Amino acid sequence: AQTVTQSQPEMSVQEAETVTLSCTYDTSESDYYLFWYKQPPSRQMILVIRQEAYKQQNATENRFSVNFQKAAKSFSLKISDSQLGDAAMYFCAYGSWGKLQFGAGTQVVVTP
Amino acid sequence: GAVVSQHPSWVICKSGTSVKIECRSLDFQATTMFWYRQFPKQSLMLMATSNEGSKATYEQGVEKDKFLINHASLTLSTLTVTSAHPEDSSFYICSARPGSTGELFFGEGSRLTVL
Repeated sequence: AQTVTQSQPEMSVQEAETVTLSCTYDTSESDYYLFWYKQPPSRQMILVIRQEAYKQQNATENRFSVNFQKAAKSFSLKISDSQLGDAAMYFCAYGSWGKLQFGAGTQVVVTP
Repeated sequence: GAVVSQHPSWVICKSGTSVKIECRSLDFQATTMFWYRQFPKQSLMLMATSNEGSKATYEQGVEKDKFLINHASLTLSTLTVTSAHPEDSSFYICSARPGSTGELFFGEGSRLTVL
């Protein structure tokens, strides 16, 4: 069975600073996807970034980047130049054939 | 991007009644949709995989007779919570994906409150 672990219940960051969210997962499969989703107070799940397991290059989307370590089964998210709008719950997710297994989430608080 | 819409966005019902939640893919066809449940301040838990034209596949521990799923067309899946009880109160979220890509698109969610 796959499990996804987010060990940080909450992270606080000042505007314009950088914060890194950790995520580890456990799987015996070799072909899968990893995701970071953002859930603001509206509860709408928003895809932040996606990583295919077969790609060694770390995915990047503007201010968001990941550090994917396949052997260590680690998938951390770095938010650079944090903005007030980044405040939300962030979920790490593992997926194969469309089904997603989510971590417990990390609440990101952005302070002015 | 692809759009997935849920209706209703919130519903209040009396204990013992049944409630139906719809999930529609607005601009793509989805042979597979997924239903998740989220309790307050908790993560999303996959309940079942909805397959167009066939029976849904339920995750372990999910009562199939309590949570009826129907996927009658390529753009619509419904979740019916039967004989609802207060412990069924939760946030229900559906998702769907176009084609065979790994990306899922999520609906806005439906908040169910059972009195």
